[in-house]
Amino acid sequence: RKEVEQDPGPFNVPEGATVAFNCTYSNSASQSFFWYRQDCRKEPKLLMSVYSSGNEDGRFTAQLNRASQYISLLIRDSKLSDSATYLCVGESGGSYIPTFGRGTSLIVHP
Amino acid sequence: NAGVTQTPKFQVLKTGQSMTLQCAQDMNHNSMYWYRQDPGMGLRLIYYSASEGTTDKGEVPNGYNVSRLNKREFSLRLESAAPSQTSVYFCASSIHRESNEKLFFGSGTQLSVL
Repeated sequence: RKEVEQDPGPFNVPEGATVAFNCTYSNSASQSFFWYRQDCRKEPKLLMSVYSSGNEDGRFTAQLNRASQYISLLIRDSKLSDSATYLCVGESGGSYIPTFGRGTSLIVHP
Repeated sequence: NAGVTQTPKFQVLKTGQSMTLQCAQDMNHNSMYWYRQDPGMGLRLIYYSASEGTTDKGEVPNGYNVSRLNKREFSLRLESAAPSQTSVYFCASSIHRESNEKLFFGSGTQLSVL
């Protein structure tokens, strides 16, 4: 079982929709989490960090639920340009090594 | 500011050939990483270097070796390439390893082993 699990999707949504992804993690000692965006097998780029209190950046909201050990990413008012793979990152076994989920594919259609 | 520079961008090898992937960062980061990405598998850690002079195995180290040449450079070597090593390889760096810091990635190497 991977330490960080994601539903691979694809999530196929119309423009303007709200879509949410969850990512579960097994290492209860994990402190830091991130969401990365990856386009067409290009390098991943940081989308946002995930803070315990939750954080928002424009149309994007990230939340952490420590009790249930998952993080979430909410995208409001989806744009065609949001089509990409979204990777969540946690930590491996208390060693602070960045560990990636398999990624969730989002397709936004007109 | 170049960030993380990775070479080559593409490479085709025959089974049994060797090659070295080069990675350099100019951000004075302490930690560097090599990942491979296969369809449906996300990024899997091959090796990492927490600081200059140290290297450690990640999730999938078999068939690879690494060298942290200095603080800037971290190379990945395939001694005898196998078709199972066909993948996209990403080098990354972060400020330090004492916490899970955000990663900066190179542009990737598409490797095909025939």
